[in-house]
Amino acid sequence: NAGVTQTPKFRILKIGQSMTLQCTQDMNHNYMYWYRQDPGMGLKLIYYSVGAGITDKGEVPNGYNVSRSTTEDFPLRLELAAPSQTSVYFCAASSYNSPLHFGNGTRLTVT
Amino acid sequence: AQSVTQPDIHITVSEGASLELRCNYSYGATPYLFWYVQSPGQGLQLLLKYFSGDTLVQGIKGFEAEFKRSQSSFNLRKPSVHWSDAAEYFCAVGGYNKLIFGAGTRLAVHP
Repeated sequence: NAGVTQTPKFRILKIGQSMTLQCTQDMNHNYMYWYRQDPGMGLKLIYYSVGAGITDKGEVPNGYNVSRSTTEDFPLRLELAAPSQTSVYFCAASSYNSPLHFGNGTRLTVT
Repeated sequence: AQSVTQPDIHITVSEGASLELRCNYSYGATPYLFWYVQSPGQGLQLLLKYFSGDTLVQGIKGFEAEFKRSQSSFNLRKPSVHWSDAAEYFCAVGGYNKLIFGAGTRLAVHP
């Protein structure tokens, strides 16, 4: 089992560009999440989903969009990249009474 | 407001010494509690979790944690630290489908 797979691992964007961070899981978990990690700040929840077709905002959703058309996939979209979105992004999946299982992250730099 | 506090940003211990990493939380009800570890450039790996029952929980790699409801704490301990334990440690609290993370404690191990 691969668990949670994120692509790409690294990306450099110019200000104003757009991109999609991909996340897929093979654990058949209902819940999926996007977090961003900044130095000294821990992880902040961007968006989450409790099942296909259902998404909701987390703590820091501005500048991002998500969709959940299938159980397996939960892509994160940045429409107009800004330097403040330079971060490491983690996707995670879980189910009832099962803790979050994380992917290995995507390191994004916006210049 | 819900929050997690890890008072120690950095801790340095000698190999073979004991370790305690502190975690305090503010949460409306009795939360689920977790400790995750992150090695450089990696995702987060679950060390242990508390859902209910015995307040002393055992995890992987020889770690344990104790839930103290009266102190709103969930401190992580290890009796003898190994050089490979050098990493960043995150405490997290919440329901089963959303977690709030602390800012992390970076552990350095001297030989």
